[in-house]
Amino acid sequence: NAGVMQNPRHLVRRRGQEARLRCSPMKGHSHVYWYRQLPEEGLKFMVYLQKENIIDESGMPKERFSAEFPKEGPSILRIQQVVRGDSAAYFCASSTGTGSAGNTIYFGEGSWLTVV
Amino acid sequence: QKEVEQNSGPLSVPEGAIASLNCTYSDRVSQSFFWYRQYSGKSPELIMSIYSNGDKEDGRFTAQLNKASQYVSLLIRDSQPSDSATYLCAVNRGNTPLVFGKGTRLSVIA
Repeated sequence: NAGVMQNPRHLVRRRGQEARLRCSPMKGHSHVYWYRQLPEEGLKFMVYLQKENIIDESGMPKERFSAEFPKEGPSILRIQQVVRGDSAAYFCASSTGTGSAGNTIYFGEGSWLTVV
Repeated sequence: QKEVEQNSGPLSVPEGAIASLNCTYSDRVSQSFFWYRQYSGKSPELIMSIYSNGDKEDGRFTAQLNKASQYVSLLIRDSQPSDSATYLCAVNRGNTPLVFGKGTRLSVIA
């Protein structure tokens, strides 16, 4: 499967626990984006990363949220001390980042976080 | 002012009709425009991209862009019940992250 891979697909956490969401970009893509979608809401940009660099984190909440895209391995979105309001679908997307179609992004299947 | 605006719907059309979905954006220097389809409980799926003023056709789908009016639309010809989904308009300027509208829910009635 050469698409964007996300795991876990579904994650249940108790309030105060940590959630870690992983994303492997599409083959040949080096740019990763994380979006959050709350129930009945639109997609909200969180963070944009390239390998070992955060390019834009303007949509990331200032506390409890962090993201990385290491030289080796998947991108990880980490949510510490989760609260009920963090319950949402978290989508990862990737692109080549170059050329006329470089800003076309393709989404993974999403990770659904439920905080109980 | 919201950056990307869409009518939330639902937009109901009979099977076989043309569905017309509209989107306006506020950033005049936007360069790239995209339509995604999202079924309930699923991830967004790219339908079309458009970069220049005018029409772009792909099968039953036609995207229309008018940069002077800051308006982009998606027409779906011969609508099918399987087209029932939420359609998301997305916009960016160059290599910045896409900004999405909240989406329009389309219902095609058999």
